[in-house]
Amino acid sequence: DAGVIQSPRHEVTEMGQEVTLRCKPISGHDYLFWYRQTMMRGLELLIYFNNNVPIDDSGMPEDRFSAKMPNASFSTLKIQPSEPRDSAVYFCASSYSGSTDTQYFGPGTRLTVL
Amino acid sequence: RKEVEQDPGPFNVPEGATVAFNCTYSNSASQSFFWYRQDCRKEPKLLMSVYSSGNEDGRFTAQLNRASQYISLLIRDSKLSDSATYLCVVKASTGGFKTIFGAGTRLFVKA
Repeated sequence: DAGVIQSPRHEVTEMGQEVTLRCKPISGHDYLFWYRQTMMRGLELLIYFNNNVPIDDSGMPEDRFSAKMPNASFSTLKIQPSEPRDSAVYFCASSYSGSTDTQYFGPGTRLTVL
Repeated sequence: RKEVEQDPGPFNVPEGATVAFNCTYSNSASQSFFWYRQDCRKEPKLLMSVYSSGNEDGRFTAQLNRASQYISLLIRDSKLSDSATYLCVVKASTGGFKTIFGAGTRLFVKA
C-alpha cells in the first residue's frame, strides 16, 4: 500500500519566491496534518483538516502561510513570499478517525530558502 | 514552559543496556499519549501508545503517571538498531486531534 506521498522531496528557492508543497494522504484517511520541523523548534503542528475542512490552524506562523485541501486525496501548503527563516522540513501526516492513535507521516519536503 | 518537555540527551549506551527516557506534559487535561521514533533524516513513526495501566511491546515498556503528568519509555537489551530520536507525543483534550510533540531524546547505542 502507498503511504503518504509528498512532493517535492527537496526545494531550494530564493527569498521572496512562492513555494507550494504537496501531499497525498493515505486513501481512506479522513485527517490530514501539516507539520514543520527545525532544530530550534522541533516538530510543530501547523494545521490539520478533517474531511477536507480546516479544523485548527493556530499553528500557522503568519499570513504568508496558507493551506488547502480541495479533495480527500490532495492538500497543499503554500508560502508566499518565502523567507530564509522558513527553511525547515515540512511533513504531511494522515490518520483515520476509526484509529486515531496513529498518524502516518510522509517522507517530508526539505525546504531551503536562500 | 513548553507543553511537552523531554531530556534532549544524547544518551550513549552500550549494546544490551537498559535505558529510560522521561517526558513531562503541562496540560493536566491531556487525553492520549504516545512515543514516536524518528531515524536520522526520516519521518517520525509511531512506536507505541501509552496507557494508564502501562504497556509493554517486546523490549519496550511505556508508563503513564497522570498525577505527576509524567510519561516514560524503557528500552531493555538495547540494540544498535534502536539508535534514533524518541519523541514524546501528547494529544490535547480539547476536541479534535491536535497533537503536541516533544523535542525528542537522542539515543546512540554502541557496539
